[in-house]
Amino acid sequence: DTAVSQTPKYLVTQMGNDKSIKCEQNLGHDTMYWYKQDSKKFLKIMFSYNNKELIINETVPNRFSPKSPDKAHLNLHINSLELGDSAVYFCASSQVRLAGLEQYFGPGTRLTVT
Amino acid sequence: AQSVTQLDSHVSVSEGTPVLLRCNYSSSYSPSLFWYVQHPNKGLQLLLKYTSAATLVKGINGFEAEFKKSETSFHLTKPSAHMSDAAEYFCVVSDPSGTYKYIFGTGTRLKVLA
Repeated sequence: DTAVSQTPKYLVTQMGNDKSIKCEQNLGHDTMYWYKQDSKKFLKIMFSYNNKELIINETVPNRFSPKSPDKAHLNLHINSLELGDSAVYFCASSQVRLAGLEQYFGPGTRLTVT
Repeated sequence: AQSVTQLDSHVSVSEGTPVLLRCNYSSSYSPSLFWYVQHPNKGLQLLLKYTSAATLVKGINGFEAEFKKSETSFHLTKPSAHMSDAAEYFCVVSDPSGTYKYIFGTGTRLKVLA
């Protein structure tokens, strides 16, 4: 019973390609997030959706487009992949959008762009 | 603006000795603070959180942290390290200004020596 799942776990692709990462949570949470972890392990928020509404959109290239078909899913589509997009991408969810509530993280998707 | 500083990028301890991982925060508001652990090639797991209740917070696997407002610190401790504690540890502050996004520290790699 995985709480937050991501597919695929590994993604190797060439520059210029378009790829998607899928995220699903079965916790009944209202809020979902995408984070990027770079090669130095630094984690930074990219996007957040609350009840399918975009609430956080950090300074991310517009090649990245999140899509939330319903509360339980938040997918990340990346166009025209670049070498610098290589990273581990984590999806997370929280019950509602409140300070002090923990976020539950997925296992991550390691994206390698060659 | 909120921020966290993890003072040590690497910490090495011998098995059975105490662990201290240091974190200082900066926040204009009463902060919500978290410690997460990331084992190699895994997602992030919540160890403990502080949300303006008791200043000494107990978490999983014998970890605890003390919130000290006067020192703006939230250091993570464990009385006796176990080999399985070897991992990356992240101190996190939740931005209370409306988005409640996580702001991560740069992480501390804990190494446990046999």
